Amino acid sequence: KAGVTQTPRYLIKTRGQQVTLSCSPISGHRSVSWYQQTPGQGLQFLFEYFSETQRNKGNFPGRFSGRQFSNSRSEMNVSTLELGDSALYLCASSGGAKEQFFGPGTRLTVL
Amino acid sequence: AQKVTQAQTEISVVEKEDVTLDCVYETRDTTYYLFWYKQPPSGELVFLIRRNSFDEQNEISGRYSWNFQKSTSSFNFTITASQVVDSAVYFCALSRSGGYQKVTFGIGTKLQVIP
Repeated sequence: KAGVTQTPRYLIKTRGQQVTLSCSPISGHRSVSWYQQTPGQGLQFLFEYFSETQRNKGNFPGRFSGRQFSNSRSEMNVSTLELGDSALYLCASSGGAKEQFFGPGTRLTVL
Repeated sequence: AQKVTQAQTEISVVEKEDVTLDCVYETRDTTYYLFWYKQPPSGELVFLIRRNSFDEQNEISGRYSWNFQKSTSSFNFTITASQVVDSAVYFCALSRSGGYQKVTFGIGTKLQVIP
């Protein structure tokens, strides 16, 4: 069974640009969660989607948005990038059981 | 507001020693979930356990065990007979009812197991 995949793995952008990150969950999983990890703020919850609906969102500005498609793949978008958005973005999927599976992450660098 | 405190930022142990990672949480919810995750040097997070607030039984999985004590708001993690492969950053986390919603993480404890 294929694991959670995230694309791209690495990304370099400049301030003011926007970026879209993609996450493909494990087949059959309907819940996808996104997290941001930075040295300063640690791990922070961004949002969680289930069956194309955003069930919850963390404390991030409106520049951070996401969506989930009918095949459960999810994208997150960050508009008007700031230096502080440089981070590792992690995606995880869950199939309703207790366990959660993470992807390798997308390392975003904003210059 | 929810809060997770991992007071130990770094721990070093010699291989085969037992080690306990502490986690103290704060929440006003009566129903909540507690988690532990492992992040090895490769960077990929690995889910270890999810426990709901109504289940105070200790859990053991191989060399790993978890001690949940509601009275002290703690959810400690013990690795028995540590191995070099256990070297990683370990995160404790807390969420409101529903599992993976609004998860609050601790800052993590970096564990180094010395051969």
